Amino acid sequence: AQSVSQHNHHVILSEAASLELGCNYSYGGTVNLFWYVQYPGQHLQLLLKYFSGDPLVKGIKGFEAEFIKSKFSFNLRKPSVQWSDTAEYFCALDMRFGAGTRLTVKP
Amino acid sequence: KAGVTQTPRYLIKTRGQQVTLSCSPISGHRSVSWYQQTPGQGLQFLFEYFSETQRNKGNFPGRFSGRQFSNSRSEMNVSTLELGDSALYLCASSFTGTGPMNTEAFFGQGTRLTVV
Repeated sequence: AQSVSQHNHHVILSEAASLELGCNYSYGGTVNLFWYVQYPGQHLQLLLKYFSGDPLVKGIKGFEAEFIKSKFSFNLRKPSVQWSDTAEYFCALDMRFGAGTRLTVKP
Repeated sequence: KAGVTQTPRYLIKTRGQQVTLSCSPISGHRSVSWYQQTPGQGLQFLFEYFSETQRNKGNFPGRFSGRQFSNSRSEMNVSTLELGDSALYLCASSFTGTGPMNTEAFFGQGTRLTVV
């Protein structure tokens, strides 16, 4: 059965700090992996996705994620966060979502 | 094109009642998934419908049920409501939902259900 784990429940960073949010999945077949973001009071929206090819995928707003098949991981990264990145981030394997990680960026 | 539409936006029900939520997917999308979002539990998968058939199911009790119509619109029903059912219920539509041809999910604004 498919499952997605996000180990960080709440992350607090200062502006300009680097970000890495963990995502691990459980599934032995072909994977379609996504990161979604939910800004306060807004819809969930797609940040980036991986289907195949280059395991390093770039998304909107300077985010990127790396698919590491051997580790069943798809971690989200950003070199320098901004206050406007404060949001909840969800990793998904197809239509299965992780519990989410709340990111708070202090100005 | 129009996005995913969920109705109603807000609902207040009492314990023991039942409720039906509606979701109209993006035109052409055949997969509809339902999620329960709560502050403590995050986004929990309820079920997915594809071409009128339930294709995947999460770990929710049988009080939670759903269906999909031939036009891909979906309804979710919760019977015998409990206080703990208070949550934001999100619907997401996708062209295929799961599998190698999956595309991203598009979410509606959700229905905020409060059980008192």
